[in-house]
Amino acid sequence: GEDVEQSLFLSVREGDSSVINCTYTDSSSTYLYWYKQEPGAGLQLLTYIFSNMDMKQDQRLTVLLNKKDKHLSLRIADTQTGDSAIYFCAVEDSNYQLIWGAGTKLIIKP
Amino acid sequence: DAGVIQSPRHEVTEMGQEVTLRCKPISGHDYLFWYRQTMMRGLELLIYFNNNVPIDDSGMPEDRFSAKMPNASFSTLKIQPSEPRDSAVYFCASSLGTATGELFFGEGSRLTVL
Repeated sequence: GEDVEQSLFLSVREGDSSVINCTYTDSSSTYLYWYKQEPGAGLQLLTYIFSNMDMKQDQRLTVLLNKKDKHLSLRIADTQTGDSAIYFCAVEDSNYQLIWGAGTKLIIKP
Repeated sequence: DAGVIQSPRHEVTEMGQEVTLRCKPISGHDYLFWYRQTMMRGLELLIYFNNNVPIDDSGMPEDRFSAKMPNASFSTLKIQPSEPRDSAVYFCASSLGTATGELFFGEGSRLTVL
């Protein structure tokens, strides 16, 4: 079945850019999502990209999709302390259900 | 809209007791999902409903777990009897059928079974 992989941790300095990566196995995925989970809270949809796009930008967020390599990334420009959270990559499978990565914990160093 | 509302936020119980978690989805959403989150297994889909009908319960770990959705504005997840390994954060989420990947999550119910 579909598999989605992310590294568990990313540490960046405040003000730098953060790049969170995700790889997936199902090439038929139509929508790919990034969710954010702050401590003690539920997940919140950050952004998503349709599979016929290779880039989507939304303020400080840039999503890049490489369909050939089945690689998705989320770039956060000018990372702030408020960006500290766990970021989940999720990919829609052929049954329109989400397959989730394990989440990447973003740690901001002052 | 108030968003997805879950209760209780925290529950501490003893092994063998019955636990009932509750969820009110966003009005108008026709999909409802129950997830479980633990450090060891991450985010797991337990069951989801479409128009109050259970569609896929293959993620429900055992017969001790049951979920119902008696109407469009209410769902329960019940564990009977509870065990320490059921300790986790349980999330309810809802979505519109036209955008099933755009889930709106509740704040979660943190369950501790002693």
